[in-house]
Amino acid sequence: QQQVKQSPQSLIVQKGGISIINCAYENTAFDYFPWYQQFPGKGPALLIAIRPDVSEKKEGRFTISFNKSAKQFSLHIMDSQPGDSATYFCAASPAGGTSYGKLTFGQGTILTVHP
Amino acid sequence: DAGITQSPRHKVTETGTPVTLRCHQTENHRYMYWYRQDPGHGLRLIHYSYGVKDTDKGEVSDGYSVSRSKTEDFLLTLESATSSQTSVYFCAITGTGGPYGYTFGSGTRLTVV
Repeated sequence: QQQVKQSPQSLIVQKGGISIINCAYENTAFDYFPWYQQFPGKGPALLIAIRPDVSEKKEGRFTISFNKSAKQFSLHIMDSQPGDSATYFCAASPAGGTSYGKLTFGQGTILTVHP
Repeated sequence: DAGITQSPRHKVTETGTPVTLRCHQTENHRYMYWYRQDPGHGLRLIHYSYGVKDTDKGEVSDGYSVSRSKTEDFLLTLESATSSQTSVYFCAITGTGGPYGYTFGSGTRLTVV
């Protein structure tokens, strides 16, 4: 059972445009929502993360929007650059209990930014 | 990548043979994880360790075993490799035990023929 659903599978954006990737989750015990960026041949690297006590978090050109009632969160990349071309994963983890520390990942989005 | 090394980086093996992948860390972190990455599935947790000789199963543990005899090494063994285990395997470490501060290795690409 896929507990975190991510869309779209692939995304093509022009340089300077806005890239938007969406995720939806089912488990209400999830309490931490990170986004990872992965370049070919590399492991995923943490990009930005949010807790459900805030509705938005911004770091540079990257923003997470969080809607707790809808159980959805999204990544917005403003002024997208060719160097942002990578695979992006959303993920979620519960706050505690026996599953603490285990990340559940979305399926991934391949982002291509054309110059 | 921040003191975490996976070996080998690439491996081709035959169906039915045992295979061991190694994750080595120099961060002295207590918690280590093995994930597999497949198109359309993202990353899925295979096994994890919360200390020397302390391990537990993840979401997709069937056909895999792990061992951790030293803090720095976490081994993943495919007991009898099958084509469905063709994948990219990632090791991750964290010092907190929580989801924060995960660091991933560069991965091992395993092909079972």
